[in-house]
Amino acid sequence: QQQVRQSPQSLTVWEGETAILNCSYEDSTFNYFPWYQQFPGEGPALLISIRSVSDKKEDGRFTIFFNKREKKLSLHITDSQPGDSATYFCAANMGYKLTFGTGTSLLVDP
Amino acid sequence: DMKVTQMPRYLIKRMGENVLLECGQDMSHETMYWYRQDPGLGLQLIYISYDVDSNSEGDIPKGYRVSRKKREHFSLILDSAKTNQTSVYFCASRGQPNTGQLYFGEGSKLTVL
Repeated sequence: QQQVRQSPQSLTVWEGETAILNCSYEDSTFNYFPWYQQFPGEGPALLISIRSVSDKKEDGRFTIFFNKREKKLSLHITDSQPGDSATYFCAANMGYKLTFGTGTSLLVDP
Repeated sequence: DMKVTQMPRYLIKRMGENVLLECGQDMSHETMYWYRQDPGLGLQLIYISYDVDSNSEGDIPKGYRVSRKKREHFSLILDSAKTNQTSVYFCASRGQPNTGQLYFGEGSKLTVL
């Protein structure tokens, strides 16, 4: 049973466009939702995160929108750059356990 | 400098051989993790270690065991490796409790023939 789901599996956008990556979860006890960015050959690295008491978190070109009632969140990447091409993982945290989604592979075409 | 180091980075073994993957961190973090990553499946949790000799199974512990004798060092052991354990294994450590701030190593790619 996949507790954290992501869509789409892959996404291609043009440079300068906004990329929207979606995530949903099952367990209402999850209270913290980080997004990780992973480049080929590297480990994932924390990009941005949000707590369940908030509905929006912004950090430069990256914004998380969170809907607790629907158990959904999304990552918006504005003015996408070729350097943003990577795999993005949504994750959900409860206590010591961090559960990851299956990832979205983003390609930004110049 | 905060760093998680994994060794070896690449490993090829035959089915039935034993495998030792090692992980070190220089941040004195109490909690450490082993995940495996497979295409289309994301990162799956194998084991959590809360501190020295305090380990807990994750979601897919079957076929694996771990050892943590020092806070800075966490090992993943495969006794009699199987071909379906071919994967990329990631070690991570956590700085703050109740957050998702994990620091990952660069991964160990294991191929079991």
